[in-house]
Amino acid sequence: NAGVMQNPRHLVRRRGQEARLRCSPMKGHSHVYWYRQLPEEGLKFMVYLQKENIIDESGMPKERFSAEFPKEGPSILRIQQVVRGDSAAYFCASSPRPGTSGINEQFFGPGTRLTVL
Amino acid sequence: GQSLEQPSEVTAVEGAIVQINCTYQTSGFYGLSWYQQHDGGAPTFLSYNALDGLEETGRFSSFLSRSDSYGYLLLQELQMKDSASYFCAVRDRLGDDKIIFGKGTRLHILP
Repeated sequence: NAGVMQNPRHLVRRRGQEARLRCSPMKGHSHVYWYRQLPEEGLKFMVYLQKENIIDESGMPKERFSAEFPKEGPSILRIQQVVRGDSAAYFCASSPRPGTSGINEQFFGPGTRLTVL
Repeated sequence: GQSLEQPSEVTAVEGAIVQINCTYQTSGFYGLSWYQQHDGGAPTFLSYNALDGLEETGRFSSFLSRSDSYGYLLLQELQMKDSASYFCAVRDRLGDDKIIFGKGTRLHILP
C-alpha cells in the first residue's frame, strides 16, 4: 500500500515563473492537506481539500496561490509568479474520511523542496 | 488566536529520559497529537490524546491535561536515532482532521 506521494521532490524556479506541486493521497484517503515549512520552523497550514471541494483555505496567501483536488488525479498546489520568499518545503498530508478513525492521524508525503532563484 | 507553545530546543543524554512540554490556546479542542520529523524528512505520527491521562506506546508516552491546556511527550531510553524535531498539534474542531501545529522542539541527544 503506497504512502502519500509527492512530486517533484525538488523544484527550482526563477522569479516570476509558475510552480506546480503534486500530491497523491494514500489509497482510500479522501482528504488532503497542504503545509508550508520554512527552515527551522514548524508546519504552517495552508489548505484542506476533499475531492472537487476546498474545505478550508484560511492559510493560503490571498494572491498567487491556488489549490485543487480534482475528481481524477492528484491534488495540485499552484504558485504563480514565484518570489524568493516562496522558497520552502511544501508538505502534503492525507487522512481517511473524518470520523472513520478516532486517532486523528495525518499521513505525510516526503515533501517538495521549492527553491526560487 | 490559535497558539501552541513548546520549547525550541532540548538536549539530553543517550539512555536518559526527556519530556517535551506543550501548552495550547485554541478556539476548540478535540485532541492533541505528536509528530516526529527527522532532518530532511516528513513528519510522522507518534501519538494522540483525546482524553486526560497518559498514553504509552513503547518508549514514547504522551500525556494530556485538558483543564490545564497542557500536554507532554515523554521519551525513555533515548537513542541517537531519536534526534529529531517533535511537534505538538491540536485538532481544533469536530468533524474533520485539520490540525494546527506548534513550531517544534529540536531534540539533541549527546552520547
